[in-house]
Amino acid sequence: SQQGEEDPQALSIQEGENATMNCSYKTSINNLQWYRQNSGRGLVHLILIRSNEREKHSGRLRVTLDTSKKSSSLLITASRAADTASYFCATDAWGFKTIFGAGTRLFVKA
Amino acid sequence: GAVVSQHPSRVICKSGTSVKIECRSLDFQATTMFWYRQFPKKSLMLMATSNEGSKATYEQGVEKDKFLINHASLTLSTLTVTSAHPEDSSFYICSARAGRGPLNTEAFFGQGTRLTVV
Repeated sequence: SQQGEEDPQALSIQEGENATMNCSYKTSINNLQWYRQNSGRGLVHLILIRSNEREKHSGRLRVTLDTSKKSSSLLITASRAADTASYFCATDAWGFKTIFGAGTRLFVKA
Repeated sequence: GAVVSQHPSRVICKSGTSVKIECRSLDFQATTMFWYRQFPKKSLMLMATSNEGSKATYEQGVEKDKFLINHASLTLSTLTVTSAHPEDSSFYICSARAGRGPLNTEAFFGQGTRLTVV
């Protein structure tokens, strides 16, 4: 399969709570990225983390990368209803292709 | 950040006709472009890698005669869905990179094209 796995597949939380999504991948990577997609729309790039980095922050987002476990996590703190969307991790492997994980559908209840 | 423009954003066509989707990098030269397909509530599946001036590389299971890709210039790649059928209805997204080889830079995505074949 092209895709790595994301966990959970769907997540429903209350506004103000934190949301954590995990991603696992299969091959060695150059970098890993997280994207957001609102229903039926294009992708919004959230954050890129390089293979030699372990953690990165951007606003309410925190991304970790564990290359030994081939996994990454995205934490959204103090979630808002507007954060409702699908979130995908995507890996850039040697060979230059960007391969997407299965995605997590996040629903934040107001 | 860099801009990738995809056109059209939405198209409805009759079964048996062909549809062309354009992907343009507006402020950089895209040596490599990628085409993805996305089914409802599913992830993006890479269809093919398009290199300027050479033939596209298709992923396993993707029919190259069905999905024709042309990357004639450093700013434009096109995907033509030939003899479209209802099962080709999907969301198609392109992305573009500025250079060759692994880079610690992001790929820039178009806004996608929703194709409906009736």
